[in-house]
Parts: sequence; C-alpha cells; structure tokens
Amino acid sequence: DTEVTQTPKHLVMGMTNKKSLKCEQHMGHRAMYWYKQKAKKPPELMFVYSYEKLSINESVPSRFSPECPNSSLLNLHLHALQPEDSALYLCASSQDRTVYGYTFGSGTRLTVV
Amino acid sequence: AQSVTQLGSHVSVSEGALVLLRCNYSSSVPPYLFWYVQYPNQGLQLLLKYTTGATLVKGINGFEAEFKKSETSFHLTKPSAHMSDAAEYFCAVSDQRSYIPTFGRGTSLIVHP
Repeated sequence: DTEVTQTPKHLVMGMTNKKSLKCEQHMGHRAMYWYKQKAKKPPELMFVYSYEKLSINESVPSRFSPECPNSSLLNLHLHALQPEDSALYLCASSQDRTVYGYTFGSGTRLTVV
Repeated sequence: AQSVTQLGSHVSVSEGALVLLRCNYSSSVPPYLFWYVQYPNQGLQLLLKYTTGATLVKGINGFEAEFKKSETSFHLTKPSAHMSDAAEYFCAVSDQRSYIPTFGRGTSLIVHP
C-alpha cells in the first residue's frame, strides 16, 4: 500500500458545525502533515506530527484541532469555521522527518457556508 | 532561510514540444530539491527529487531535472509534451536543518493539441 487516503473527498459545513477530516496511511511512515491549499496557490503547512506527537503548529487558529490516534491515522477536527477557511485540505506522510519527499493524499475539498 | 522562485506562472507548449519549467532556489546549506505535480482536484505527486549524488535526476512520466549548484537552479524538462502533462507543477526545497519543504508558487503547464 503506497497511498495516503483522505475522507471525505468533499465536505460542506455551516459555520456552527463540527466536522472531522480523516487521513490514513499504511506505509509505516512516522511523520504526518496537514496542509491547506487555496486555489492556484502552493500548499501551506498547518501541522506536523512526528511519532504521533505534535511537533509543529504553524500558528493555526484553534478552530482547527489535529489529532493523531496512532501511527497510521491523522484527524483534523473542525469547529466554528469561517468562509475563508474554504480550501483543499491535504494530508501527507513521510519516512520520519526525512528529506526524501512526501506522499500526499488527494485531499478534502471543504466549503464553509 | 530557504526560498524558491518559479519563473512563469503559466507555460504553454504544443503537444510534442519540449517542456521546460524553471526553478531557482536559495539555501545557505546544501539543498534537497523536489518537483511535484498536481492534477486538477488531486493532491500533489512527487515527480522527482535530488538529495545527493548524480545531478541529473530522472523521474516519472518521462520528466527529468538537473541540479546546477553554480546557477542555483533545478529546472524540469521533458523532451516531448503530452496532453496528459497539463497540470500544476511545484518546485520545493528543503535541507538538513529544515526538513519541511518550502514550495514555489507553482507553474501551470498548458499543452495545446
């Protein structure tokens, strides 16, 4: 298995809703990442988990809450989002904190209404 | 601090023509360099990477890139464009101090029949 699987692929939520994005990989990668990508822009790093511990939080608003239940799973909990949070949310993984490149999932297209 | 400059937000070629996407980087230590491709409504896919060793790197889908330290460049080429190559291409740089990659702004490759 050489994939990162993200669910759901599309999500529409109201500003008062609570929802979660899920990411799963079975490549034995020990580093996992959340990125946010706006249209026609490069991905922006949000969070990094290394060995299931949060190692980087790029000053992301608290309405985004990451969770890493085990080495294969990464969640992003969403609450009280704003319309400007609408974007493609990408999960990625890599072999530890190495420089050999990332494997990205296909993303969750989030629309906040 | 690292930085990446991708010259040209759009590059247009005819099918069968040479593809050249330009990437220049800035890094105070030896860099690790990457090219990613993103098809519409997809995540990023690693095309190729340079870490150490041979400066001409071959990747998937017939792409290759050459690391030129004296020019601080890592341009992406493909001898003959195919319609399926139409996508967004991101150059990225990291190093041993900061394994988190810095992405360029992206170049949209348009392939005309």
